[in-house]
Amino acid sequence: GESVGLHLPTLSVQEGDNSIINCAYSNSASDYFIWYKQESGKGPQFIIDIRSNMDKRQGQRVTVLLNKTVKHLSLQIAATQPGDSAVYFCAENSHDYKLSFGAGTTVTVRA
Amino acid sequence: EPEVTQTPSHQVTQMGQEVILRCVPISNHLYFYWYRQILGQKVEFLVSFYNNEISEKSEIFDDRFSVERPDGSNFTLKIRSTKLEDSAMYFCASSAGQGNTEAFFGQGTRLTVV
Repeated sequence: GESVGLHLPTLSVQEGDNSIINCAYSNSASDYFIWYKQESGKGPQFIIDIRSNMDKRQGQRVTVLLNKTVKHLSLQIAATQPGDSAVYFCAENSHDYKLSFGAGTTVTVRA
Repeated sequence: EPEVTQTPSHQVTQMGQEVILRCVPISNHLYFYWYRQILGQKVEFLVSFYNNEISEKSEIFDDRFSVERPDGSNFTLKIRSTKLEDSAMYFCASSAGQGNTEAFFGQGTRLTVV
């Protein structure tokens, strides 16, 4: 069956270092992937997306990498800041009308 | 910046009662969604809505659940005969296109069934 998951539930990173958050998916038919950030008590906030015809996409301080061969997605955050502390979810478009979310990785930034 | 707004932010209801959760999607969006998140767990899809009808729904979205777009701006989720296990954060989302375009989420309504 399809599933979207994250390799690690928590990540602690020193302020200023780079963060890497990983995600595995199982539905090879998925063609669209999104990373969301969720702060406590708030809704998911879009960070960056990538379509299956790409393997890398860059935004402001963030890069998403897609490896379709091993069905792996990662989010890299450069120069992590205290405001980056949140839960990060990967999500896949497993069907035209819905997103399937992974379990989430809690990122804690140490000062 | 346009945003999805949800009301109320917190709803407490007695088990067995009916609740209506309200959402105002982004004005030029055509696709609307409800998701829920049980505390500490991942976000789960409930239902998608397009062109005044349900496009897809999950197993969670049973006969007690219904959605409606009563006018040009609101999108509601109704839960009848609420159960304790309905307690969760409910997120409304909207997108301009189908699933392969960015979905914007509201801040959520925390539903507590007692």
